[in-house]
Amino acid sequence: EAGVAQSPRYKIIEKRQSVAFWCNPISGHATLYWYQQILGQGPKLLIQFQNNGVVDDSQLPKDRFSAERLKGVDSTLKIQPAKLEDSAVYLCASSKQGYEQYFGPGTRLTVT
Amino acid sequence: GESVGLHLPTLSVQEGDNSIINCAYSNSASDYFIWYKQESGKGPQFIIDIRSNMDKRQGQRVTVLLNKTVKHLSLQIAATQPGDSAVYFCAELHVRAAGNKLTFGGGTRVLVKP
Repeated sequence: EAGVAQSPRYKIIEKRQSVAFWCNPISGHATLYWYQQILGQGPKLLIQFQNNGVVDDSQLPKDRFSAERLKGVDSTLKIQPAKLEDSAVYLCASSKQGYEQYFGPGTRLTVT
Repeated sequence: GESVGLHLPTLSVQEGDNSIINCAYSNSASDYFIWYKQESGKGPQFIIDIRSNMDKRQGQRVTVLLNKTVKHLSLQIAATQPGDSAVYFCAELHVRAAGNKLTFGGGTRVLVKP
């Protein structure tokens, strides 16, 4: 079974630029999550989708971050405009039923 | 390789010894507590979980202990191996009808010395 796929793996941008990350969850997993992991900290949930609907986006900075999962499968997370403090690893995870979440390798974003 | 975190508490352990990683939690309403392992350049990987009404659960080479009185969780790794070197996170899971929510705590870096 293929795992959660994410791209790109690394991205370097200047502040005020925009960036997008892509995630393809494990086949058949209805729930998809985006996390932000700042260096030295645990992952923090940004947004959670159930199929193509948003379940929880309470910690998403909506003035600059957006995410979509239009067909209920893959998802994109966008930041526009980026700030220095957005430098982090962005993790995507998916789950089928129950609670076990499977994480992708993440995208490491550096904002200069 | 990449570093998951530069300023994490670190546990150095000799290969073959047992490791104990501790975690304090704050929310007594959590339904499950879960330990994750994160290697450099990878996402967190599920190790073991414990339901909130249990005190102890054992897996292969790992044991999780839950002390609800003092809100403390620990992970014991028996006969630590070089492949156990990673950052370990505890997490709280809230079961919700709209979708379960996972909240991570701080991590501990484990370095296994040969």
